[in-house]
Amino acid sequence: ETGVTQSPTHLIKTRGQQVTLRCSSQSGHNTVSWYQQALGQGPQFIFQYYREEENGRGNFPPRFSGLQFPNYSSELNVNALELDDSALYLCASSRTGLPGNEKLFFGSGTQLSVL
Amino acid sequence: AQRVTQPEKLLSVFKGAPVELKCNYSYSGSPELFWYVQYSRQRLQLLLRHISRESIKGFTADLNKGETSFHLKKPFAQEEDSAMYYCALRPLMNYGGSQGNLIFGKGTKLSVKP
Repeated sequence: ETGVTQSPTHLIKTRGQQVTLRCSSQSGHNTVSWYQQALGQGPQFIFQYYREEENGRGNFPPRFSGLQFPNYSSELNVNALELDDSALYLCASSRTGLPGNEKLFFGSGTQLSVL
Repeated sequence: AQRVTQPEKLLSVFKGAPVELKCNYSYSGSPELFWYVQYSRQRLQLLLRHISRESIKGFTADLNKGETSFHLKKPFAQEEDSAMYYCALRPLMNYGGSQGNLIFGKGTKLSVKP
């Protein structure tokens, strides 16, 4: 059983640029959630993808967007990067459709630095 | 507003001492509550959830709706319990629809000294 993998592990961008982060879900999982974790804070929910559609979103602007592919992997795209976007971005996968299966499995994250 | 509060940034105890990590929540309904843990150089992982009423690695947590709390307890702390602990809430309105929507506290770093 493979776990949740994220790429890249680290990334440096400049303000105004665009970035794409990638996530492969754990084997058997069909749902991917993305979180932003700023330094010293808990993870903050960005959005969730299920059946290739967004089905839940936190308080993030539209310049944060995502995709889910038929193999359940996912991308997080951030346009017009701002300095405050510097954070650890976590991906978590789960299996929707199994009652009581609320457990999220997290990846190691992508550390994004915006200069 | 939905919110999870962990009042302690750092909690330091000696091995064998009892430990209690505090978590209070604000939510106008019946949420699902979780504790997640992150050991050094490891991923964030689920420790326990209130609906399971389970004890994991000697830890327990009881949901107190009157006090809106979900404190994590262990009677005898071990050095390997040293980690970052996050309390998280999932609004029940999202159950089955957006199960990934967790609201996390800022976390408490537990340090167990020998």
